[in-house]
Amino acid sequence: EPEVTQTPSHQVTQMGQEVILRCVPISNHLYFYWYRQILGQKVEFLVSFYNNEISEKSEIFDDQFSVERPDGSNFTLKIRSTKLEDSAMYFCASSELAAISGANVLTFGAGSRLTVL
Amino acid sequence: AQSVTQLDSHVSVSEGTPVLLRCNYSSSYSPSLFWYVQHPNKGLQLLLKYTSAATLVKGINGFEAEFKKSETSFHLTKPSAHMSDAAEYFCVVSDKNDMRFGAGTRLTVKP
Repeated sequence: EPEVTQTPSHQVTQMGQEVILRCVPISNHLYFYWYRQILGQKVEFLVSFYNNEISEKSEIFDDQFSVERPDGSNFTLKIRSTKLEDSAMYFCASSELAAISGANVLTFGAGSRLTVL
Repeated sequence: AQSVTQLDSHVSVSEGTPVLLRCNYSSSYSPSLFWYVQHPNKGLQLLLKYTSAATLVKGINGFEAEFKKSETSFHLTKPSAHMSDAAEYFCVVSDKNDMRFGAGTRLTVKP
């Protein structure tokens, strides 16, 4: 069964450092997403991406965050200067259809745990 | 605005007994509703989805959920719990271009 693959599974970084989280979506999917889950809290939507541009983003996704699909297979989330409160599990997801279609199903990766010290 | 409330943060059942995980939602539109399961160190796996077809939805591993518009509920059930069902379960609502997750319910299955 096709999977969404995320690397690294766990990253520890110092506050103020840049972090890049990588995702390989399912090959025929067109829509890509990042979500995060701070320990003990809800899974929160960060951003959706289609046709090489951001289609939706939440209030969380400020100027410190960026996404990119550099080579047609990887989908990356960059945090420019990490803060303590960025510590969370970050989930990548992909889908064939847009969420607005109603029949959309997102396939999630296993997550990347980011710890900011 | 859409939101979802999972009424129990933790549910504990004995193996072989029924499972009920409760979910209520609010939505301005006709929502799509999902249940996802997360096993330790695994991604979020889709259990089942409701998208305005039959109100009783059957999913994988013997789970099912019933969409009740009058009660704005989408509770997840299984007749007989198995040890492998122990995991975190998320109810999700989607009515526009993002999905809103509930806080999750941790299911523990005792032998």
